[in-house]
Amino acid sequence: GQQLNQSPQSMFIQEGEDVSMNCTSSSIFNTWLWYKQDPGEGPVLLIALYKAGELTSNGRLTAQFGITRKDSFLNISASIPSDVGIYFCAGYMEYGNKLVFGAGTILRVKS
Amino acid sequence: GAGVSQSPSNKVTEKGKDVELRCDPISGHTALYWYRQSLGQGLEFLIYFQGNSAPDKSGLPSDRFSAERTGGSVSTLTIQRTQQEDSAVYLCASSLGLAGTTYNEQFFGPGTRLTVL
Repeated sequence: GQQLNQSPQSMFIQEGEDVSMNCTSSSIFNTWLWYKQDPGEGPVLLIALYKAGELTSNGRLTAQFGITRKDSFLNISASIPSDVGIYFCAGYMEYGNKLVFGAGTILRVKS
Repeated sequence: GAGVSQSPSNKVTEKGKDVELRCDPISGHTALYWYRQSLGQGLEFLIYFQGNSAPDKSGLPSDRFSAERTGGSVSTLTIQRTQQEDSAVYLCASSLGLAGTTYNEQFFGPGTRLTVL
């Protein structure tokens, strides 16, 4: 079953707006990874987080590893049309060696 | 190559036929993963290879699915007697494979889109 709850399921925003999405779990994670998937492609790694409280940026993207180790968020500032795609959170649970994925957030941008 | 490659990119087959999907991981990556992604869904874990250890097959949906990894590099996912519900994108990923470190970031191939008629 789904061990990561990712929200929102989809977003349709105006170009230039900021975007926020998050993942939560009842389990503790020791790594959080955020991926973006374009149509017909495999997921591409955007940001990796390894410590509780860690805040990491990659251009207009910022992600944080929650203090409780049970959640993470991804923010995209000043969205542009090429931000369109599906964003997945993923994480390694404490003592786990398999990457667990959220169901994805579909992002659409109106220009 | 620089990234994970998969072949074929698309495969159309008839129900009941066997198919083989190939994955070439990033050179030097000891861990290799197979996932399945149905239309509009997230990624479903299938199988995980780590070095010379026995693979973790806990995600394989039935005994019609099998995978092998020869020489610690290339992997083949085989689906026997395909069914229509096997239609999906099959993604392969690899990582350096050291759990708990930056080395377990997984890098994905472009996937194989399987359609079973």
